[in-house]
Amino acid sequence: NAGVTQTPKFRVLKTGQSMTLLCAQDMNHEYMYWYRQDPGMGLRLIHYSVGEGTTAKGEVPDGYNVSRLKKQNFLLGLESAAPSQTSVYFCASSTGQGIHQPQHFGDGTRLSIL
Amino acid sequence: GDSVTQMEGPVTLSEEAFLTINCTYTATGYPSLFWYVQYPGEGLQLLLKATKADDKGSNKGFEATYRKETTSFHLEKGSVQVSDSAVYFCALSAGGATNKLIFGTGTLLAVQP
Repeated sequence: NAGVTQTPKFRVLKTGQSMTLLCAQDMNHEYMYWYRQDPGMGLRLIHYSVGEGTTAKGEVPDGYNVSRLKKQNFLLGLESAAPSQTSVYFCASSTGQGIHQPQHFGDGTRLSIL
Repeated sequence: GDSVTQMEGPVTLSEEAFLTINCTYTATGYPSLFWYVQYPGEGLQLLLKATKADDKGSNKGFEATYRKETTSFHLEKGSVQVSDSAVYFCALSAGGATNKLIFGTGTLLAVQP
């Protein structure tokens, strides 16, 4: 029972490089989310999706793009990495059926931009 | 807008001590409230939740009561263990079309033997 799986777990990039973080869930959840976690700031929502083929901006979307081509996958892209994007990135999913439903989180991707 | 405020950490306790982590919220509607726990090197796990006023969520000896009159959802445990050392996040979901979670900044708990 994998739940939410994120790859890679760690990555170091140079400024200006691009990369894609992959999130996969096997719970048939409709809603998926990308957050970043920074010291003293909790988790902040980057982008989210309420279903296959849909995406929307969250609180801190600048410098990121996302795609949800398949229901089980949610990709987060950095087109031109900047040191300010050094963070731990978490993907989450939920059924989306009402506000009582919790979100299920992956183990995170630790990204360093040099 | 909606927000969550939780007490600053770190909180350092001895094993078997009583734990309280304060959490207050601001929301225009009737949110659901959650406590998540993050163990070192891991993702967030749901600890407990409450969906309406006066509800008490509980799990693994932890409890929190949804107090609408004080807009609070304080986390308590009667006797902490070393294994409870983690970061605890209070969060709310105000619903709408996205079911987004709004998180507090997290409180680091360190329990010493």
